[in-house]
Amino acid sequence: RKEVEQDPGPFNVPEGATVAFNCTYSNSASQSFFWYRQDCRKEPKLLMSVYSSGNEDGRFTAQLNRASQYISLLIRDSKLSDSATYLCVVHVQDYKLSFGAGTTVTVRA
Amino acid sequence: DADVTQTPRNRITKTGKRIMLECSQTKGHDRMYWYRQDPGLGLRLIYYSFDVKDINKGEISDGYSVSRQAQAKFSLSLESAIPNQTALYFCATSDFSQDGNEKLFFGSGTQLSVL
Repeated sequence: RKEVEQDPGPFNVPEGATVAFNCTYSNSASQSFFWYRQDCRKEPKLLMSVYSSGNEDGRFTAQLNRASQYISLLIRDSKLSDSATYLCVVHVQDYKLSFGAGTTVTVRA
Repeated sequence: DADVTQTPRNRITKTGKRIMLECSQTKGHDRMYWYRQDPGLGLRLIYYSFDVKDINKGEISDGYSVSRQAQAKFSLSLESAIPNQTALYFCATSDFSQDGNEKLFFGSGTQLSVL
């Protein structure tokens, strides 16, 4: 079983729609969680950290469910510029960050 | 100017050739990493270094070596390139805090093709 699994998508949504997707992780000892955004063939960039209580950053909301071992990302009022691949990253131990393969979101006009 | 700079951006080489990918950073971070990304797979860690005297293998280090020449420089070498090393390579630095929130800052990547 992979340490971090994501639905690859693509999620095709119209502008203004809400889109949400999950990421599951296998190691219950995982310590911290992140969402990174990656545009095609470019470097990943940190979108947001995911806190136990859930957190919001503008149109983006991240949730953590430790009991079921998944994190989620919700994007409200989607913009064309939100089209990207979203990488789930889990901090398992000191140096080890495990990356999901990414969920692709395409927002259409 | 980019905080994490990788060179070259693209490289095409032949099987058996020695290749070096270079990475430099101006962020002042001690931790540096080399990852590779293949289609349909997550980023996989090749090597990491927590300071100039510290080099560690990641999950896929076979066929690769690294050198940490200074705090700001971390290079990756393929001693004898093979086609399955064709991938997008990223260097990263991290801002590690004691609460475990390790945030990575990536270079713009090197697309390597081994023919």
